[in-house]
Amino acid sequence: DVKVTQSSRYLVKRTGEKVFLECVQDMDHENMFWYRQDPGLGLRLIYFSYDVKMKEKGDIPEGYSVSREKKERFSLILESASTNQTSMYLCASSSMDGQKASTDTQYFGPGTRLTVL
Amino acid sequence: AQKITQTQPGMFVQEKEAVTLDCTYDTSDQSYGLFWYKQPSSGEMIFLIYQGSYDEQNATEGRYSLNFQKARKSANLVISASQLGDSAMYFCAMREGLSNDYKLSFGAGTTVTVRA
Repeated sequence: DVKVTQSSRYLVKRTGEKVFLECVQDMDHENMFWYRQDPGLGLRLIYFSYDVKMKEKGDIPEGYSVSREKKERFSLILESASTNQTSMYLCASSSMDGQKASTDTQYFGPGTRLTVL
Repeated sequence: AQKITQTQPGMFVQEKEAVTLDCTYDTSDQSYGLFWYKQPSSGEMIFLIYQGSYDEQNATEGRYSLNFQKARKSANLVISASQLGDSAMYFCAMREGLSNDYKLSFGAGTTVTVRA
């Protein structure tokens, strides 16, 4: 089974702090994604990466950065946390083979609920 | 413009009955994929079912089936014989084209509550 893990389930930080959210997958997937989930808005893509050291902006990258130094690990960084970044953060991974429908599926971690005070 | 629209914020269904969750999508691509995910209160997103735009048959996975109407751009999820464990939020998502970025666009979700 695909396993995607996230470093924390719950996190409370202060405004202005630097925050690191870690995501690790064990299926040798090329693609990794960071989303945030807010009520009524669904999931919105922050950043994604399709290879080590590669990153692409998603729909809402402002206030975030990412790092992918190893294939299995994708980190989301909030350089200076703000209260409007209080949200649920979900990491996902998928393989690169677009020929098979099943391999296009994104597999998600359990999520990190971040509160910024 | 919204790429995925889920118009039902919340639904109640009686145990053992079927429920249909609506999803409409907007794309100009000929090749695309549609996904449904379930998110229980624990938070993890669970993949349920996939429909490719060129698939002629509606996808089915156990008690889940996808009512795919291409001309209407709709991909409704049908859950048959609802169980208490089906209570969750359900998201419809779409991947467009055959680009290498494999991004998904998600709808706002529908909360399903199954009553005993």
